[in-house]
Amino acid sequence: EVQLVQSGAEVKKAGESLWISCKGSGLSFSNSWINWVRQMPGKGLEWMGKIDPSDSYTNYSPSFQGHVSISFDKSIGSVYLHWSSLQASDTGMYYCATSIDGHNSWGQGTPVTVSS
Amino acid sequence: DIQMTQSPSTLSASVGDRVTITCRASQRISSWLAWYQQKPGKAPKLLIYKASSLENGVPSRFSGSGSGTEFTLTISNLQPDDVATYFCHQYNSYSPWTFGQGTKVEIK
Repeated sequence: EVQLVQSGAEVKKAGESLWISCKGSGLSFSNSWINWVRQMPGKGLEWMGKIDPSDSYTNYSPSFQGHVSISFDKSIGSVYLHWSSLQASDTGMYYCATSIDGHNSWGQGTPVTVSS
Repeated sequence: DIQMTQSPSTLSASVGDRVTITCRASQRISSWLAWYQQKPGKAPKLLIYKASSLENGVPSRFSGSGSGTEFTLTISNLQPDDVATYFCHQYNSYSPWTFGQGTKVEIK
């Protein structure tokens, strides 16, 4: 069974940096892109970007390009979402998710609160 | 990007009713379509994948159909526990993931 377990809630100030993580089990990172999805309070789901863990190739939504970065640590099997300088508008819930053979699995979500 | 148009945005029905939610893709996506149920403060819960495959453990009153550009989620025999927001999600591997705007299901 594929499981994606995300790091815990974060409360930060605008301008600070942040890493959140998504640890996978039960999957082969050689054939499973890991995606990040944002959900702002009371809103819908927005795809942010994805990474191919086999070679760390990334692809970002234009809406998030340059504001976040996605990386993979093979030694611990975790994918990261990183902000170098948070904004109050980054407040929301962040999910990692993957699709293997057409079946989708999601992490439990990481709530991020950014105060100005 | 592929746009997903989901309707209706809200739906009010009685317990035991059959309800239908529709998603239309702006391009053909074969059967790369999933449906999720989301309750407040919770992660999306997968109900249907590959347009019509029922996720393990999901009640059989949920069903999905369609292919290409038109897709439907049907809840037969609506139950109070089904009160939630439902999203469609296209995951064609050649384009960015996109999602429907959501349908809020309420009990009359």
